[in-house]
Amino acid sequence: QSVLTQPPSASGTPGQRVTISCSGSSSNIGRNAVNWYQQVPGTAPKLLIYNKNQRPSGVPDRFSASKSGTSGSLAISGLQSDDEADYFCAAWDDSLKGPVFGGGTKLTVL
Amino acid sequence: EVQLVQSGAEVKKPGATVKISCRVSGYTFADYYLFWVQQAPGKGLEWIGLVDPENGKRRYAGRFQGRVTITADTSRDTAYMELSSLTSEDTAVYYCATMDFYGSGSSDFDYWGQGTLVTV
Repeated sequence: QSVLTQPPSASGTPGQRVTISCSGSSSNIGRNAVNWYQQVPGTAPKLLIYNKNQRPSGVPDRFSASKSGTSGSLAISGLQSDDEADYFCAAWDDSLKGPVFGGGTKLTVL
Repeated sequence: EVQLVQSGAEVKKPGATVKISCRVSGYTFADYYLFWVQQAPGKGLEWIGLVDPENGKRRYAGRFQGRVTITADTSRDTAYMELSSLTSEDTAVYYCATMDFYGSGSSDFDYWGQGTLVTV
């Protein structure tokens, strides 16, 4: 059971906007930044969003994130077929003194 | 270019010990914590532990405490993760990574190895 809670699946059609939620607690998301990762099966996770909704170089602005209290969310606008992947949230946990992760959300582009 | 290159796949019998290496390049090894993360088949990511290469200090997640040893060799720019008393539940891909969480923020200095499949 993952420390952060994500829906196991999400879906949308090309061009649509989808959101993925990530619920935590006061010791992690409530105090610290949320990172979002994209993982194509068989490859390592890739950082999509870090800190306060910042994107690493090369990540399109179709990806954005927000945080409120102990929950975060990732939004993907203008959905494309190659967005089909697993998405994970992560945050530092002050109690565990290490990072915690969500269980992942499998995004299907219909 | 920052790279984290892990050792190859391993097949182990129950009760055995596995040791995986992660050689880094393209940055100063001592400047960032090095994390190890487990991903069981079809499952999410789980933090195993971390090492501060600057001073060798380590921290482990509770579930792995007592079975895992993480070390860093700054002369080789390489980190190691040793997991003992293996069971079938340890069958997973293991990643090393440089996730940069600081204070209440994070940076984009976030790089992952290619993963090492351990089959028990």
